[in-house]
Amino acid sequence: QAQLVQSGAEVKRPGASVRVSCKASGYTFTSYYIHWVRQAPGQGLEWVGWINPKSGGVNYAQKFHGRVTVTRDTSINTVYMDLTSLTSDDTAIYHCARGTGTTEFDAWGQGTLVTVSS
Amino acid sequence: DIVMTQSPLSLTVTPGEPASISCRASQSLLHRNGYTYLDWYLQKPGQSPQLLIYLGSDRASGAPDRFRGSGSGTDFTLQISRVEAEDVGVYYCMQGLQSNTFGQGTKLEI
Repeated sequence: QAQLVQSGAEVKRPGASVRVSCKASGYTFTSYYIHWVRQAPGQGLEWVGWINPKSGGVNYAQKFHGRVTVTRDTSINTVYMDLTSLTSDDTAIYHCARGTGTTEFDAWGQGTLVTVSS
Repeated sequence: DIVMTQSPLSLTVTPGEPASISCRASQSLLHRNGYTYLDWYLQKPGQSPQLLIYLGSDRASGAPDRFRGSGSGTDFTLQISRVEAEDVGVYYCMQGLQSNTFGQGTKLEI
């Protein structure tokens, strides 16, 4: 069945950048979108953006425009999320999820904790 | 942006009793293709979220049949016919019509 495996936890200084990866297996990589969703400590879910692995097309939440970039490498079925100019407000667990377009997130990664601290 | 508003924000239910969570969107979630882009997710303690309902009322594979999604336009409801101990967690609605946004979450306790 579909499985998404994310990279490990990261600790970054304010102003730095972070890259989180999400490796897909068990399905045709180009047939489903990959979304990024984050969750700050004790808070709710916040959608960050998606990529269509087939076309490379992307869409980001307005609040992240200019700071987030999502890319994919179809040769290794992996999606990357890069987030720049980190602040303490970016401390969160970042999840990748498989979607049928913009709905039906039926498989989720295990989450990657990104901690931003001086 | 479409704003999603859930109520209540917390809920305590006796096992075996029904439960209901409401979700209201700031604009209609009906796409011109006829589908309604509203999903429901459950995040159990310490776990990643899991899909329960998609496109308003379609139950996800593996989701128990005690979960039912209903509604149209801007007003939606997730109903649990008989709550079980394993249903504890935070429930989120999410719209997928214009980008994606989640509701604030509803914490269900036993």
